[in-house]
Amino acid sequence: EAGVAQSPRYKIIEKRQSVAFWCNPISGHATLYWYQQILGQGPKLLIQFQNNGVVDDSQLPKDRFSAERLKGVDSTLKIQPAKLEDSAVYLCASSPGQPGGETQYFGPGTRLLVL
Amino acid sequence: SQQGEEDPQALSIQEGENATMNCSYKTSINNLQWYRQNSGRGLVHLILIRSNEREKHSGRLRVTLDTSKKSSSLLITASRAADTASYFCATDHFYGNKLVFGAGTILRVKS
Repeated sequence: EAGVAQSPRYKIIEKRQSVAFWCNPISGHATLYWYQQILGQGPKLLIQFQNNGVVDDSQLPKDRFSAERLKGVDSTLKIQPAKLEDSAVYLCASSPGQPGGETQYFGPGTRLLVL
Repeated sequence: SQQGEEDPQALSIQEGENATMNCSYKTSINNLQWYRQNSGRGLVHLILIRSNEREKHSGRLRVTLDTSKKSSSLLITASRAADTASYFCATDHFYGNKLVFGAGTILRVKS
């Protein structure tokens, strides 16, 4: 079974530029998550999709971050414009979508550096 | 702020020794999960324990949960150099599979 795919693996941009990350979850997984992990901290959930609908985006900085999952499969996360404090690893995860607690499967992440 | 807090922040042991990491949280949970993260890579799920369970085992891993104290511990027995990684506890509070991660424990196993 193929794992969660993410691209690019690394990205360096200057502040105020825009950037986009792509994620392809495990086939058949209904739930997709985007996390932000700042160096030395645990992952923080940015947005959670169930199929192509948003379940939770309470911690997404909506003035600069956006995400979509149009066909309920792959997803993109965009930052526009980027700030220095956005430097982090952006992790995508997926799970089958069963209620009541389940394992999340993580991709390798995209490491973003904003200069 | 993140709910889970791991203790210790860092742990260094010799190969073959046991490693114990602790996690505390603030509000009631549906389940608690432990994940491992090797340097520069994504997270790997280790074990899930539900709120009505007190102990679970998986290979060399043993997890306990004390809901009265709002705490959990992860024990890795007979540690190996390959166990060197960061370990995170994550709590699910609302039955919606939304996980809140702690800051993690950095484990170094010296060979």
